Amino acid sequence: EVQLLESGGGLVQPGGSLRLSCAASGFTFSNYAMSWVRQAPGKGLEWVSTISGGTAFTYYADFVKGRFTISRDNSKNTVYLQMNSLRVEDTALYYCAKGTPGYNYGTFDYWGQGTLVTVSS
Amino acid sequence: QSLLTQPPSASGTPGQRVTISCSGSSSNIGSNTVNWYQQLPGTAPKLLIYSSNQRPSGVPDRFSGSKSGTSASLAISGLQSEDEADYYCATWDDSLVVFGGGTKLTVL
Repeated sequence: EVQLLESGGGLVQPGGSLRLSCAASGFTFSNYAMSWVRQAPGKGLEWVSTISGGTAFTYYADFVKGRFTISRDNSKNTVYLQMNSLRVEDTALYYCAKGTPGYNYGTFDYWGQGTLVTVSS
Repeated sequence: QSLLTQPPSASGTPGQRVTISCSGSSSNIGSNTVNWYQQLPGTAPKLLIYSSNQRPSGVPDRFSGSKSGTSASLAISGLQSEDEADYYCATWDDSLVVFGGGTKLTVL
């Protein structure tokens, strides 16, 4: 059974940093692209970043370029999102999502339950 | 402002057929397949349709997807109360994943 378990969210001041983790199980982690998608309170889904399987190419939404870094540790079956220079507008529930091989990177077949990031002074 | 445009709301009565549209451009829907996600209240999104018209295992055949040119549609037939949820389209666009703004479906 595929499981994605996010952690690392919390309350941080504007300008601060957080590192989110997503521990995966139930599939051969290294073979799959992994992504982070966020949802601000009462708002829609917003893609944040994707890291491919294999060669680990990375992709970012324009609003996080230069501030967030996605990475993966295949030995730990974990994907990370390092978030720096956090802004109030980064407040959201951050979901980890598993990619579907053979289909475009917007195809997420499994999602975690999310970890809440609150940026406030 | 999302690159994919969805109506903010839709509604129907039990048993009806409803459709939700997703309008894009040549760089996203026009060049890639479309995925649809269902988000029930208080839960994580779930893949409903992938590759424009394919259903993952376990998704009822009441749900169907289609794509034509730079637009896509999700159709739900035999509407049920448990279909009340938010629905999102998504695809790839020149090194970015793009989501529609979401459509809130109300079952009257």
